[in-house]
Amino acid sequence: KNEVEQSPQNLTAQEGEFITINCSYSVGISALHWLQQHPGGGIVSLFMLSSGKKKHGRLIATINIQEKHSSLHITASHPRDSAVYICAVGSGATNKLIFGTGTLLAVQP
Amino acid sequence: DGGITQSPKYLFRKEGQNVTLSCEQNLNHDAMYWYRQDPGQGLRLIYYSQIVNDFQKGDIAEGYSVSREKKESFPLTVTSAQKNPTAFYLCASSPDRVSSYGYTFGSGTRLTVV
Repeated sequence: KNEVEQSPQNLTAQEGEFITINCSYSVGISALHWLQQHPGGGIVSLFMLSSGKKKHGRLIATINIQEKHSSLHITASHPRDSAVYICAVGSGATNKLIFGTGTLLAVQP
Repeated sequence: DGGITQSPKYLFRKEGQNVTLSCEQNLNHDAMYWYRQDPGQGLRLIYYSQIVNDFQKGDIAEGYSVSREKKESFPLTVTSAQKNPTAFYLCASSPDRVSSYGYTFGSGTRLTVV
């Protein structure tokens, strides 16, 4: 079993829909990251959080430390949101990340 | 603008040849990392360096080598000993040696062995 599990693996949505991507982890963490990877391959960091909730534009990330679970929400989804979304955790007092396998999101117009 | 530059974006290599992937950062970050991405799998750590002239093996270091002679540069050599080198390679850096805050990723190099 992977230390970081994401669901769903694939997600297709219609433009305007509210989207949720989930991440569960089994290790103690110092921080959790949500990343976005576009078809060209480059990765952009969306959020880093260790507690509570963060919001940036139409994106919201939450984390529940007790349940070892995080969610990434996209409100009013748009085709340009189509990408792979990756959850990663920093475990222990190191700066190495453990990655989930990603969620492929396709938003159709 | 500060960031990480990886080159080349696409690379083709014949079997049996060594090839070096470049990673340069102008963020003044102490730590740098190399990850490998295969279809359907999460990114896996190849090597990392927390300070100049020092580096450590990650989870899948066999068949790879690195150097860290300068703070801003962390090249990765894929040697002929790497049995399945075709993959997407990502370089990353972070300002701090002891936490995962401030991670920055490059745009990646896609290596294909022909």
